[in-house]
Amino acid sequence: GAVVSQHPSRVICKSGTSVKIECRSLDFQATTMFWYRQFPKQSLMLMATSNEGSKATYEQGVEKDKFLINHASLTLSTLTVTSAHPEDSSFYICSATRGTNYGYTFGSGTRLTVV
Amino acid sequence: GQQVMQIPQYQHVQEGEDFTTYCNSSTTLSNIQWYKQRPGGHPVFLIQLVKSGEVKKQKRLTFQFGEAKKNSSLHITATQTTDVGTYFCAGDPQGGKLIFGQGTELSVKP
Repeated sequence: GAVVSQHPSRVICKSGTSVKIECRSLDFQATTMFWYRQFPKQSLMLMATSNEGSKATYEQGVEKDKFLINHASLTLSTLTVTSAHPEDSSFYICSATRGTNYGYTFGSGTRLTVV
Repeated sequence: GQQVMQIPQYQHVQEGEDFTTYCNSSTTLSNIQWYKQRPGGHPVFLIQLVKSGEVKKQKRLTFQFGEAKKNSSLHITATQTTDVGTYFCAGDPQGGKLIFGQGTELSVKP
């Protein structure tokens, strides 16, 4: 089956620093990956669509300069939270699919805590 | 904007009882998908429904897609403690960008 690996699983950082989260498709190529944010007991909120070789598409209200997305290869997308603040603390999850007849495979998520 | 509403938000059942969660989209969907997220975990794909009126079964789970392709349901027969988690529906209007419902958190009392 399709496997998506996400690292790190947990990170604690100081306010003002930047954190990079990696999302890799291990056994398939993903021209598109999706980044979500999830608050406790809430649903997944789509932040942006990561497109291999081109700019990411951000959802309304998501600051593109704060959440930098790079999709440099067919198997890797990165999300960098720049100048992190405590309100950025959340669970970030990526997903990708191997095709229209398949569901989406999610990474294991990254729990970010900004102190 | 496009929305997918899911009810109930919480459901507490006794082991052996049935459970159903419902989703309703504000727009027609090309497909609807269902995911399960265990506490502390990430969403795991369960199934995708594409055809109008489609019904699919996975052991004790039955998934339905409405005739108008705007609503869907997940029914679990005779719940077990292993069914605990949050069940999300996710609608795909088109283009692969999923819109998630709010999720239904299921707890099962042994």
